[in-house]
Amino acid sequence: DADVTQTPRNRITKTGKRIMLECSQTKGHDRMYWYRQDPGLGLRLIYYSFDVKDINKGEISDGYSVSRQAQAKFSLSLESAIPNQTALYFCATRGTGNQPQHFGDGTRLSIL
Amino acid sequence: RKEVEQDPGPFNVPEGATVAFNCTYSNSASQSFFWYRQDCRKEPKLLMSVYSSGNEDGRFTAQLNRASQYISLLIRDSKLSDSATYLCVVNMFRERSQGNLIFGKGTKLSVKP
Repeated sequence: DADVTQTPRNRITKTGKRIMLECSQTKGHDRMYWYRQDPGLGLRLIYYSFDVKDINKGEISDGYSVSRQAQAKFSLSLESAIPNQTALYFCATRGTGNQPQHFGDGTRLSIL
Repeated sequence: RKEVEQDPGPFNVPEGATVAFNCTYSNSASQSFFWYRQDCRKEPKLLMSVYSSGNEDGRFTAQLNRASQYISLLIRDSKLSDSATYLCVVNMFRERSQGNLIFGKGTKLSVKP
């Protein structure tokens, strides 16, 4: 089983819809992250969380919100989806200290 | 200066070639350095950490030059399966960030038969 699991893996939806992407992890890491990736732009950080009570905006948080329901769960919401939010979304976790990050398989989101 | 900068490539090399990627970073206080590999439309995966003294893992060698603020990745005897995008990753210290990792945009490698 994957250590970092994202659901759904693919989603096609319409402009204006509310969408939630879920991430769960079995690594026991406190730090969790949401990124989006667009061709030619690399990974861009949307939100990050260091524990259940700590949520921080990343470089491109507008139009997104998050919820850290438990240490193992970190969900990303698009309240009213728009076409330029079409992208590949990754959740990641990170252990303490100078550890690397571990990514989920990604969610491919298309907004029509 | 960008926080983490890489040559986007693509690097097109024949099988068996040796290829090197460089990456520069802006924050002299950075302590953690990594190389990740990302296949098309897949998640980034850790290839190797980069240590101050340099380190090797099979055909892959990573080096760190703190004075010049760059890290490098050398791939010897390239295989077709090495074709991917290689991401340079460095931790950056900003207010409340606890040294979040910053990912370069990646260098694309294509190994040809």
